[in-house]
Amino acid sequence: QLVVTQSPSASASLGASVKVTCTLTSGHTNYAIGWHQQQPEKAPRFLMKINSDGSHIKGDGVPDRFSGSSSGAERYLTISSLQSEDEADYYCQTWGAGGVVFGGGTKLTVL
Amino acid sequence: VQLVESGGGLVKPGGSLRLSCAASGFTFSTYSFNWVRQAPGKGLEWVASISSSGYYIHYADSLKGRFTISRDNAKSSLYLQMSSLRAEDTAVYYCARDLWEQNPPFDSWGQGTLVTVSS
Repeated sequence: QLVVTQSPSASASLGASVKVTCTLTSGHTNYAIGWHQQQPEKAPRFLMKINSDGSHIKGDGVPDRFSGSSSGAERYLTISSLQSEDEADYYCQTWGAGGVVFGGGTKLTVL
Repeated sequence: VQLVESGGGLVKPGGSLRLSCAASGFTFSTYSFNWVRQAPGKGLEWVASISSSGYYIHYADSLKGRFTISRDNAKSSLYLQMSSLRAEDTAVYYCARDLWEQNPPFDSWGQGTLVTVSS
């Protein structure tokens, strides 16, 4: 069964960097994923698509501080030079024959 | 790109509701779309998808038979007909566009419309 797993929370200091991880289930480690940001009380926003080789496509207007990478079953979202507005929930998304699957989300706290 | 949902509201258990999503700023008929919901305080849950022509349709297993996704390319609109509603269907419902035809991830989201199922 296709599942993506995320840590429920992460934190980092203002101006620092943080890496958020999305892990694909065994047998699906070559799947692409998408990252979405949801600020409090707002709709989700598409950040980027990450392929298994680490190549990625970013959404319109996504700052260069946001980058993506891949290693095995893991897909990463790295945010550098953290700003207060980066405090949000981050969801990874993948898809397959059975439809679309979201991870449970990672709540990022900017200290 | 703009996606604007409407049609949410308060409905009694067992009732029905039709959500709409009006699209503008791009050629609606060339993209596939999805409905995604988010229960209060919970994560995102995919509901259904529809291809650009409306021919290919998929639903989350848990919702099959109660929800129907459709579209009208002439009106640049997406719909979700919901029936036999339950308290657990209470959520904000978002429409979302696929990055490419039948190829996620979703690259545009609407602002959402709240559906509350309660007596």
